[in-house]
Amino acid sequence: DVVMTQTPVSLSVSLGNQASISCRSSQSLLHSDGNTYLSWYLQKPGQSPQLLIYLASNRFSGVSNRFSGSGSGTDFTLKISRVEPEDLGVYYCFQHTHLPLTFGSGTKLEIK
Amino acid sequence: EVQLVETGGGLVQPGNSLKLSCATSGFTFSTAWMNWIRQTPGKRLEWLAQIEDKSNNYFISYLESVKGRFTISRDDSKSSVYLQMNNLKEEDTAIYYCTWSSGYWGQGVMVTVSS
Repeated sequence: DVVMTQTPVSLSVSLGNQASISCRSSQSLLHSDGNTYLSWYLQKPGQSPQLLIYLASNRFSGVSNRFSGSGSGTDFTLKISRVEPEDLGVYYCFQHTHLPLTFGSGTKLEIK
Repeated sequence: EVQLVETGGGLVQPGNSLKLSCATSGFTFSTAWMNWIRQTPGKRLEWLAQIEDKSNNYFISYLESVKGRFTISRDDSKSSVYLQMNNLKEEDTAIYYCTWSSGYWGQGVMVTVSS
């Protein structure tokens, strides 16, 4: 199974500053069809996870341009610029290139 | 508006069965790949099963640890997907989410397995 390693486990950021989360996979997420099926989700308190980024770097509909995804192969990063109060929650990376589909263990973003 | 609504959760004794349902609307269900994912009390997310669409012969994949106990199915006429869970164990206690592979999730349903 592909292991998704997320760092850091938690992050405390001041409002207006940038946050960066790393996700490393144990195998390349480049699919034979040429796509890299790496997504980022945010789970706000008491809610279901919501999609932020798909195919490693594409913002989902309605997602603020303060969120950006980058990376390829096995190394991926989610950046949140100008952190706002509504950004708090747990961020998960998710790969759906290989079966079984697997998630990172999450990064909790707190507002300092 | 895309909606996914799970039902069927509850408290069940170990060894018993439960069937979860997910009613959907707002998208073309017949061409959608659907999944069940659960979140443990420790907040770990675990993918359980996926069912593809008719053009892919409704191909089904399972997490190895639930294969043989859990069965995913769909009814395109009802825009619904199901998860039959048999021989439930205490470690199956979790919130169960129905998801559309395009990134939409339901609100989840709680399943508690306890004597």
